[in-house]
Amino acid sequence: DVKVTQSSRYLVKRTGEKVFLECVQDMDHENMFWYRQDPGLGLRLIYFSYDVKMKEKGDIPEGYSVSREKKERFSLILESASTNQTSMYLCASTVGENEQFFGPGTRLTVL
Amino acid sequence: QKEVEQNSGPLSVPEGAIASLNCTYSDRGSQSFFWYRQYSGKSPELIMFIYSNGDKEDGRFTAQLNKASQYVSLLIRDSQPSDSATYLCAVNLAGAGSYQLTFGKGTKLSVIP
Repeated sequence: DVKVTQSSRYLVKRTGEKVFLECVQDMDHENMFWYRQDPGLGLRLIYFSYDVKMKEKGDIPEGYSVSREKKERFSLILESASTNQTSMYLCASTVGENEQFFGPGTRLTVL
Repeated sequence: QKEVEQNSGPLSVPEGAIASLNCTYSDRGSQSFFWYRQYSGKSPELIMFIYSNGDKEDGRFTAQLNKASQYVSLLIRDSQPSDSATYLCAVNLAGAGSYQLTFGKGTKLSVIP
């Protein structure tokens, strides 16, 4: 059974804090993605990765960075959290052009 | 700019009726099309995918693709209250070295008992 896990379901941080969101997949997928989902705006791609140590900017990369040191793990980093980064963050993985499998999501609140 | 458009809804249908969800996309080179279902507070899960023009059926679900009109739809027959969710249309531009999906904003479906 395919599985994508995320480090936290709920997270509360303060403005200016450095925040790490971690995603792990056990399907040996090459491609991993980070999205944020906001009411009325839908799913928006932040960053994605095709391979270890590879990363590409998505539609809204500002204020975020990523790290992929191992194939199964893809981390999203908020260098200095701001209130406008309060959102639901979803990680996904896929092989090629096929179905993306999503993790359960992390609801981040920045106070 | 690749765009995927969906009516936001809510779309309300009575139990047992057919729900019809529609999606249009702007990129004529798009090759792969996906329908995801997302329950409130949960992550998206795949219902159907379709690559070729025409219909594809899976149980109560039918995906329809018309590449000439840049239109993809999802029909849900015999709608059940458990089908109440937001349905996301996603489109992939294959062959360009990209495995990104562009998502629509979703259509909220309510099935009324």
